[in-house]
Amino acid sequence: AQSVAQPEDQVNVAEGNPLTVKCTYSVSGNPYLFWYVQYPNRGLQFLLKYITGDNLVKGSYGFEAEFNKSQTSFHLKKPSALVSDSALYFCAVRDWGDKIIFGKGTRLHILP
Amino acid sequence: DAGITQSPRYKITETGRQVTLMCHQTWSHSYMFWYRQDLGHGLRLIYYSAAADITDKGEVSDGYVVSRSKTENFPLTLESATRSQTSVYFCASSERVGGWPNEQFFGPGTRLTVL
Repeated sequence: AQSVAQPEDQVNVAEGNPLTVKCTYSVSGNPYLFWYVQYPNRGLQFLLKYITGDNLVKGSYGFEAEFNKSQTSFHLKKPSALVSDSALYFCAVRDWGDKIIFGKGTRLHILP
Repeated sequence: DAGITQSPRYKITETGRQVTLMCHQTWSHSYMFWYRQDLGHGLRLIYYSAAADITDKGEVSDGYVVSRSKTENFPLTLESATRSQTSVYFCASSERVGGWPNEQFFGPGTRLTVL
C-alpha cells in the first residue's frame, strides 16, 4: 500500500533562514507526490506536485521540493522563511483510483 | 462564485441524530472526496466518488453514507451521530489532466460537534 511519513510533528525556523519539511514515501510503482499547506481554520491548499521529470519541483509561494528516488524522500524547502509561512504542511501520495493518502502533517513555526 | 463550498460551516448536534453535510463544486470535476481531520491523525478519507452515481468507501466509512446524483454535489450523511464523529470535515474535488492525477481542491471545512 502507498504511504507517506512526516517524521517531525513540528519544525521551528528563524525568519530569513532556509526551511526544510521532511517527507518520505513508500509506493509500489511510480510515485505521484504532493505537498499541501493548511492555514488556521482553512481548507488545504495545493503547493506543488511531482509526477515525472525534473527532481526539483517549484511551487507556490516560493516553495520547492526535491524528489530523491534513492532515499525515497520528497522534502519541502524554501530558501528564506517568512513569518507568514507558519502553517500546517501535509505531504501526500497518490493511491489507486486517484485517491490521495496524506501524512499526519508537520506544523511549521517561523520565529520573528 | 466559482469554487467548492461546504455547508454548514459549524454544526452542533446530539448523539443519535442524523446530520447531513453538504458539498458543492462549480468546476464539474469528476472526482469528489470527503475527509475528516482529527488531531494526531492528519486527514483520513471517508468516501470518494469518481463520477455521478459512482461512490466507494475510504479508510473510515463506518457510520457515514454518501450519494452523488449530480456531478456538482456530494452530500455526506451521518446516520446516527456519535461523539467519536466530532471532527472537522473537508470536501475536495479533482480532475485528471492528460491522464495524470491532478491536485485536489478543498472546501473550507465543516466543524461538527456531537454532544
